[in-house]
Amino acid sequence: AQTVTQSQPEMSVQEAETVTLSCTYDTSESDYYLFWYKQPPSRQMILVIRQEAYKQQNATENRFSVNFQKAAKSFSLKISDSQLGDAAMYFCAYKGSARQLTFGSGTQLTVLP
Amino acid sequence: KAGVTQTPRYLIKTRGQQVTLSCSPISGHRSVSWYQQTPGQGLQFLFEYFSETQRNKGNFPGRFSGRQFSNSRSEMNVSTLELGDSALYLCASSLAGQRDQPQHFGDGTRLSIL
Repeated sequence: AQTVTQSQPEMSVQEAETVTLSCTYDTSESDYYLFWYKQPPSRQMILVIRQEAYKQQNATENRFSVNFQKAAKSFSLKISDSQLGDAAMYFCAYKGSARQLTFGSGTQLTVLP
Repeated sequence: KAGVTQTPRYLIKTRGQQVTLSCSPISGHRSVSWYQQTPGQGLQFLFEYFSETQRNKGNFPGRFSGRQFSNSRSEMNVSTLELGDSALYLCASSLAGQRDQPQHFGDGTRLSIL
């Protein structure tokens, strides 16, 4: 079974600074997708960014980018120029042949003004 | 395009009762998945429906069931409610549930068991 581990329960960053959230996963599959979701207090899970395992190029979405290390099974999220609206719980998730999302335990990000 | 709609937003029940939660996917999406979110267990997969058929099921007791209608709307039912069923229940839809298709989530139903 696949597992996803987020070792940082809480992180904080100063507004306009950069922060990196860590995620590692374990799988025996070679074809899979990785996602970062954001869950603000409003509860809705919002897709931030996704990465295809067979693509070596790291995904980027505006201020959000990932560092995908397939051999190390590492998938970190970098948020540049952090904004107050980035404050939320961030979940790393894996999706493989079973088609269901397997989530990490989440990282609570606080953005300090 | 309207997002995933879950109703009701909040629900309070007592032990032993049963409950039905509803999810309307994004128009055109045929796959609907359900997840349970609790502080202790985190986010756990319940089941996935596609074209009115349950295609995948997580490790939950038989008290948890669901169904999908021809318009792709889905309901999940929990019978004989227990205190541990208190959770946020999230529904997510995607075009066909394939691994490359991101799931879009609703706002969830907060279920509290007294």
